[in-house]
Amino acid sequence: EPEVTQTPSHQVTQMGQEVILRCVPISNHLYFYWYRQILGQKVEFLVSFYNNEISEKSEIFDDQFSVERPDGSNFTLKIRSTKLEDSAMYFCASRRTGYQETQYFGPGTRLLVL
Amino acid sequence: EDQVTQSPEALRLQEGESSSLNCSYTVSGLRGLFWYRQDPGKGPEFLFTLYSAGEEKEKERLKATLTKKESFLHITAPKPEDSATYLCAGWVYAGGTSYGKLTFGQGTILTVHP
Repeated sequence: EPEVTQTPSHQVTQMGQEVILRCVPISNHLYFYWYRQILGQKVEFLVSFYNNEISEKSEIFDDQFSVERPDGSNFTLKIRSTKLEDSAMYFCASRRTGYQETQYFGPGTRLLVL
Repeated sequence: EDQVTQSPEALRLQEGESSSLNCSYTVSGLRGLFWYRQDPGKGPEFLFTLYSAGEEKEKERLKATLTKKESFLHITAPKPEDSATYLCAGWVYAGGTSYGKLTFGQGTILTVHP
């Protein structure tokens, strides 16, 4: 069964450093998402991406964040200058098409900013 | 403000003891209600989508139902392997360039004791 994959599974970085989180969505999916979950809190939406551009972003997704689909398979989230409060689990999700179709989530990348 | 609220926060059951989890929502532009299961340190795993009041879906020991203001996840004769966090999410379509996003509740932590 196709699944969303994410790398790395864990990342530890120093405050102020840049990190890139990588995702490979399900191959025939067209809509891509990043969500995050701070420990003990809700899963929260960061950004959605379709047709090589951002379609919606949350207030959290400020200028320090960017997303890219550099080739036909990868989808990346870059944090330019990490802050302590960026420590969280980051989930990539994808869905095939349609406004109400299911989003399938990857296993997540646990980011720890020291 | 769009809100999804789940109750109880935690539920402890004996194996075989049936119960229900609640998800209430106040979301404008709600286009669907999703249930996911999340194991510790993992990504949300899709269970059900409900689109209209009165709709019901079943999978093994789980049954999800939807009314105009809330959804229930009924667990019949649970087993220890059903222990997980169960997440409810509303599919929200804001219009414009948005293709929709999920707004999550905080989850119900279910523990089933043998």
